[in-house]
Amino acid sequence: GENVEQHPSTLSVQEGDSAVIKCTYSDSASNYFPWYKQELGKGPQLIIDIRSNVGEKKDQRIAVTLNKTAKHFSLHITETQPEDSAVYFCAASRPDRDDKIIFGKGTRLHILP
Amino acid sequence: SAVISQKPSRDICQRGTSLTIQCQVDSQVTMMFWYRQQPGQSLTLIATANQGSEATYESGFVIDKFPISRPNLTFSTLTVSNMSPEDSSIYLCSVAQWGVTDTEAFFGQGTRLTVV
Repeated sequence: GENVEQHPSTLSVQEGDSAVIKCTYSDSASNYFPWYKQELGKGPQLIIDIRSNVGEKKDQRIAVTLNKTAKHFSLHITETQPEDSAVYFCAASRPDRDDKIIFGKGTRLHILP
Repeated sequence: SAVISQKPSRDICQRGTSLTIQCQVDSQVTMMFWYRQQPGQSLTLIATANQGSEATYESGFVIDKFPISRPNLTFSTLTVSNMSPEDSSIYLCSVAQWGVTDTEAFFGQGTRLTVV
């Protein structure tokens, strides 16, 4: 089955700087990679996703890159703001097989004033 | 995006009792899943809720402990049976619509369960 590794487990960056979270996956057939943000007391919220037919996707300050050969993908947050502080989860799935989403262990991001 | 209503949002239960959690979606969805999230941990899939048939459970989870129903494409329930303090956790409903252009999965707000 799929296994998703996520690093780092904790990340502190100065407000305005960039944050990068990296994930690797084991199943080369996985083709859908969502990222979720979870704030305290709330359910995970989908913030961006990428499919295996593209290498990069950007939405304002958030971007995700995918390297299928190396089986790793990354989340990039630029110009970080205090409201970016949260736990971020990467995940991998094979929707074409109605397969479940497997999550990484999460990264707790702290934005320092 | 789908709007998911999960009830209750939290509960404190006595050990040995059972709690049923409801998940209602505002539109028909292909897939519904139930996850558990222990404090400070990642999300662990309990099972896939299948409409009209038995749920598909992940390793370590069994139907007797976590019976699941899915009577239609917008509703599912998860029951945590014969609870013990180890069952204290957040339980999350997730829905997904798989397709070529609209592959997305969303989560409810979760049910925070404390067993005493």
